[in-house]
This record gives sequence, C-alpha cells and structure tokens, in this order.
Amino acid sequence: GESVGLHLPTLSVQEGDNSIINCAYSNSASDYFIWYKQESGKGPQFIIDIRSNMDKRQGQRVTVLLNKTVKHLSLQIAATQPGDSAVYFCAERGDSGGSNYKLTFGKGTLLTVNP
Amino acid sequence: DADVTQTPRNRITKTGKRIMLECSQTKGHDRMYWYRQDPGLGLRLIYYSFDVKDINKGEISDGYSVSRQAQAKFSLSLESAIPNQTALYFCATSDPTSGRDEQFFGPGTRLTVL
Repeated sequence: GESVGLHLPTLSVQEGDNSIINCAYSNSASDYFIWYKQESGKGPQFIIDIRSNMDKRQGQRVTVLLNKTVKHLSLQIAATQPGDSAVYFCAERGDSGGSNYKLTFGKGTLLTVNP
Repeated sequence: DADVTQTPRNRITKTGKRIMLECSQTKGHDRMYWYRQDPGLGLRLIYYSFDVKDINKGEISDGYSVSRQAQAKFSLSLESAIPNQTALYFCATSDPTSGRDEQFFGPGTRLTVL
C-alpha cells in the first residue's frame, strides 16, 4: 500500500545550527504535503505546507523542499533553537475516493537541540 | 489547540470494559478525525467523518466505533477494551473550504488498558 516514511528517526543538533529532516513518500498521486511539530504531551501542530505544483516554500525560519522526481520531502529549520526540540511528522494527502482526501502521516523524527 | 478539546485526558481501565472518548470543537469545521499514536508507528487513522451524516472507517477501525452527535462532537468508543488498545488518541478537525487539508489536533487522551 501507499506509505510515508522518514529516513532518520532521531536527529541531534547544536543550538544555532541548521536542521534538515527528511521524508520519503510513495504515492505519486499525492498533491499536498504538510509538516507537523509535536511537542511532548501535546497534539501535532501545523508548521508549513506545500502543494505538488511547487518545489519550495518558505516560512519563518522553516523551508520545505519537494522533489517529486524522487518522491522526497524535507524540512529545513534555520538557526535551530531549544524550543524546536520535538517530533516532526510529514503528511501527504492522497485521493481516498471521489473528491474526498485524507492525510497519511509518517512515523516521525525526534529532533533534539543541544544548548 | 484550545479549539479542539478531548475528554478525558488520561484514562486507565481494565480489559473488557467499554470506554468512550469525547471530542468537541469550536472551529465550526465539518470534518473530524480520530487517530491513535503508538511509539514508532506515528499517527494512524481510526475513523473519520466529513459531515454529521458521514462516517468512514480508517486503516485501523477494528475494535472501535464512533458517533458524530453534532458538527461539534465526535466520540470514539471501545466496546470491549483490550491491552493492545493502550495508546495516545488524538481527535482532529479540518475545513475543506479553506483550500488546504491542514488538520487541527486536540491535546490527546492517554488510554491504558490493563
């Protein structure tokens, strides 16, 4: 079946460094992707999204890159801060029938920022 | 997100008991979802509802049932709880008219089945 996965389950960086979190997806029909951040004890929170007709999208300190050729998605966090420590999930939207779509989530990457 | 609330936040129960988890939202969204989260497995969809009269099974619906009592309320039931249903459960909502499928999550319910 279709799946969304992550290359690295854990990532440890020094405060101030840039972080890159990767995600591979297998559904070539997926047209929309989201990155979520989940802090300990909380529900996932939206970070940034990108449509399949785009290669790059930037937010505040975050950039999402989409490479449809190799079905790869990445989240870049600039000047990583201790508050960025969390689990990061990618999610893809695929057609679940008719015009109804639902998200499929990856397994998550734990980002730890060392002061 | 305070607009999506879940009760209870924590629950410990015994095998065979019936459990109901409640979700309420004030966002006015038509779409609501129930997920479970297990370590190393990410979020898996249990059931989803695109409006009050619409209920759909997700990838792991066995052992669960849902009720969409109103646009704002979506409850998840475990008819006879078993230990492998011990997990973190999240409710979420989304608004298809926004042009995006961003889902807004509640704070989660930690369920332990002994």
